[in-house]
Amino acid sequence: GENVEQHPSTLSVQEGDSAVIKCTYSDSASNYFPWYKQELGKRPQLIIDIRSNVGEKKDQRIAVTLNKTAKHFSLHITETQPEDSAVYFCAASTDGGKLIFGQGTELSVKP
Amino acid sequence: EAGVTQFPSHSVIEKGQTVTLRCDPISGHDNLYWYRRVMGKEIKFLLHFVKESKQDESGMPNNRFLAERTGGTYSTLKVQPAELEDSGVYFCASSPHRNTEAFFGQGTRLTVV
Repeated sequence: GENVEQHPSTLSVQEGDSAVIKCTYSDSASNYFPWYKQELGKRPQLIIDIRSNVGEKKDQRIAVTLNKTAKHFSLHITETQPEDSAVYFCAASTDGGKLIFGQGTELSVKP
Repeated sequence: EAGVTQFPSHSVIEKGQTVTLRCDPISGHDNLYWYRRVMGKEIKFLLHFVKESKQDESGMPNNRFLAERTGGTYSTLKVQPAELEDSGVYFCASSPHRNTEAFFGQGTRLTVV
């Protein structure tokens, strides 16, 4: 069935370092790949998304890359700050619209 | 513009009782989704409404769960009778179109004891 694997489950970095979170998906029909950030006690919020016709997208310190052949996509955060600390979820969906989420990565940025 | 709102924010019920969760999507969003996150695990899809119609309910765990969206506005998710394994955070999300940004509510934390 549809599946998204996300690694690592926890990630600790020093402020200013980069953080990378990786996901793989199983359904080759997937064409939309959003990333959500959930701060403690708050709702998941979209931080960046990419569609299957694009290989890379960047928004300030955040970038996402997509390799359709390998069914692999990654989130890159540069110059991390303490406020980047949160749980990050990758997801994949087909034209149907439902999101298949990865297991989540708890990112901790130490000052 | 008001975001997606969910009620209640927390609910503690005993095994065998009934609980009804409510979601008010962003006005004008035809697509409404229910998801659930069980402790420490991934957010799992439950079902998808397009207006008042169930588009996909493949994620509903069993017939103890009943979702409705009468009139295509707010939605309710009823669990009857609740079991211990139903504990988790239930999220609702809405979007104007499929495969566009889904806006999430703050979730309802359900604890079945």
